[in-house]
Amino acid sequence: EVQLVESGGGLVHPGGSLTLSCAASGFPFSSYQMTWVRQAPGKGLEWVSYISSGTRYYADSVKGRFTISRDNAKNSLYLQMNSLRAEDTAVYYCVRSEYFYFDFWGQGTLVTVSS
Amino acid sequence: SYVLTQPPSVSVAPGKTASIFCGGDNIGRKSVHWYQQKPGQAPVLVLYDDSDRPSGIPERFSGSNSENTATLTISRVEAGDEADYYCQVWDSSSDHLLFGGGTKLTVL
Repeated sequence: EVQLVESGGGLVHPGGSLTLSCAASGFPFSSYQMTWVRQAPGKGLEWVSYISSGTRYYADSVKGRFTISRDNAKNSLYLQMNSLRAEDTAVYYCVRSEYFYFDFWGQGTLVTVSS
Repeated sequence: SYVLTQPPSVSVAPGKTASIFCGGDNIGRKSVHWYQQKPGQAPVLVLYDDSDRPSGIPERFSGSNSENTATLTISRVEAGDEADYYCQVWDSSSDHLLFGGGTKLTVL
């Protein structure tokens, strides 16, 4: 059974940092591209970042502040978030990607940026 | 930058057919993917590559894509289909993944 379990969310002050983790199981992790997608409260879906074996892409809203990475030996995906802003408040989903679509989603972790 | 436009809401009676549109410049040249999200739940892929259904998705869900509009069609709509639906593409010119704004499907 495919499982994606996010962790690391919480309350952080504006300008602060946070690292999200995603533990993957039930599939050959190293063979898949992975993505972070977020959803602000009451809003739509917003793509954040994508990683394949050798390529990383970022949304303009997070480029230069967020870094996506993966550890295939640990079946884990990460999102290092720096210089956080109020508008980064959202549920962050870890998503398995089949080429450029998203075939399996985690349940999400909430990040709240507030003073 | 590339933009996907969806109507905010669509209403349909049970047993009827719902059509949810996703507009974009020459979207017919791109592969469009669709997601269903029910309240409090993570999204679920319902169509990929314009019209292919993942395993477990009913045949009532179908799709098309031509020129400037992609369409998700739900036949014989059921109360359980009530959800938000999002279209999504990969824009190779910007190396960005994009979602439409989402359409809330209400089953009357």
